[in-house]
Amino acid sequence: IAGITQAPTSQILAAGRRMTLRCTQDMRHNAMYWYRQDLGLGLRLIHYSNTAGTTGKGEVPDGYSVSRANTDDFPLTLASAVPSQTSVYFCASRPSGGRTDTQYFGPGTRLTVL
Amino acid sequence: KQEVTQIPAALSVPEGENLVLNCSFTDSAIYNLQWFRQDPGKGLTSLLLIQSSQREQTSGRLNASLDKSSGRSTLYIAASQPGDSATYLCAVGANNLFFGTGTRLTVIP
Repeated sequence: IAGITQAPTSQILAAGRRMTLRCTQDMRHNAMYWYRQDLGLGLRLIHYSNTAGTTGKGEVPDGYSVSRANTDDFPLTLASAVPSQTSVYFCASRPSGGRTDTQYFGPGTRLTVL
Repeated sequence: KQEVTQIPAALSVPEGENLVLNCSFTDSAIYNLQWFRQDPGKGLTSLLLIQSSQREQTSGRLNASLDKSSGRSTLYIAASQPGDSATYLCAVGANNLFFGTGTRLTVIP
């Protein structure tokens, strides 16, 4: 069982380009999340999805969009990348809406926007 | 908006020492509090989850406590080992997690 996979592992991107970060989980978890991690700021929630077909905005959603066409995949798209989106991006999943469920994290994507 | 603070930001201890990491949060109306471990260049691994109705959770050499009234949690690590070296993150919430900035722990052999 792979758990959560993210691709690419790292990417250098020119400002203004469009980029999609991929996230796939094989645990059949209902909920999925995208966080960004920046030095001194910790992890902040970008977008989330409680179940396939639904999405919601987190703390820092501007400049990002997500879709949840099925249970396993939750791609994050930067429509027109800017340098402030340089960060490490983590995808996570959670089994259900139960209060005792923890989140499981992928290995991350390191994105540099020049 | 929930604010989560972790002190100290970094800590170095000799192997075998017991240590305590601290986490504080501003809004006591939390569902859960979790402690995660992050190794350099890696994702997060959940260590302990304390429900809002609980006071503590234990797993091996780790013990986490929760005091909602004071907005505090501690992670106690007994008999530290070099393999415990990592960044430890505290997070509150259930669906949407609010994270602290972490404590970077180094255990010196």
